Amino acid sequence: EPEVTQTPSHQVTQMGQEVILRCVPISNHLYFYWYRQILGQKVEFLVSFYNNEISEKSEIFDDQFSVERPDGSNFTLKIRSTKLEDSAMYFCASGTEAQHNEQFFGPGTRLTVL
Amino acid sequence: QKEVEQNSGPLSVPEGAIASLNCTYSDRGSQSFFWYRQYSGKSPELIMSIYSNGDKEDGRFTAQLNKASQYVSLLIRDSQPSDSATYLCAVNMFTGNQFYFGTGTSLTVIP
Repeated sequence: EPEVTQTPSHQVTQMGQEVILRCVPISNHLYFYWYRQILGQKVEFLVSFYNNEISEKSEIFDDQFSVERPDGSNFTLKIRSTKLEDSAMYFCASGTEAQHNEQFFGPGTRLTVL
Repeated sequence: QKEVEQNSGPLSVPEGAIASLNCTYSDRGSQSFFWYRQYSGKSPELIMSIYSNGDKEDGRFTAQLNKASQYVSLLIRDSQPSDSATYLCAVNMFTGNQFYFGTGTSLTVIP
């Protein structure tokens, strides 16, 4: 069964450093998403992406964040200058349509900012 | 304010019983509703989606939607210990491509 994959599973970085989190969505999906979940808290929407551009973003997704689909398979989230409060699990998800969109989540990348 | 509210629990039910999980949402224009299961340390796993008022059944799971009351629920029949997890309600608010999750309800099924 096709699944969303994410790399790395765990990323440790120093405050102020740039990180890139990578995702390979399910191959026939057209909508891509990033979420984060701080330990013990709820899953928070960051951004949705369709047709090579951002379609929605939350207040969390500020200028420090960017997303890119550099080729036909990868979908990346970049955090330019990490802060301690960026420490969280980051989930990528993909789906086939916009409104009634069943999203399938990857296993997540745990980001630890020291 | 865009809100999805769930009772955090914990909710405990004996094996074989029905577990009932509830969710309310703030945006009356919301169109799509989802239930996810999340085991500790794992990613959310889609259980069911529902878009129209009424009930939708899939195996042991039944989702119920009442848009007038802005309420969606999940019933788990014949609960099993493997159902022990946190259940997340998610809502696609407005007509855009932005999804909001509740804080989740922790369910424990006691053998």
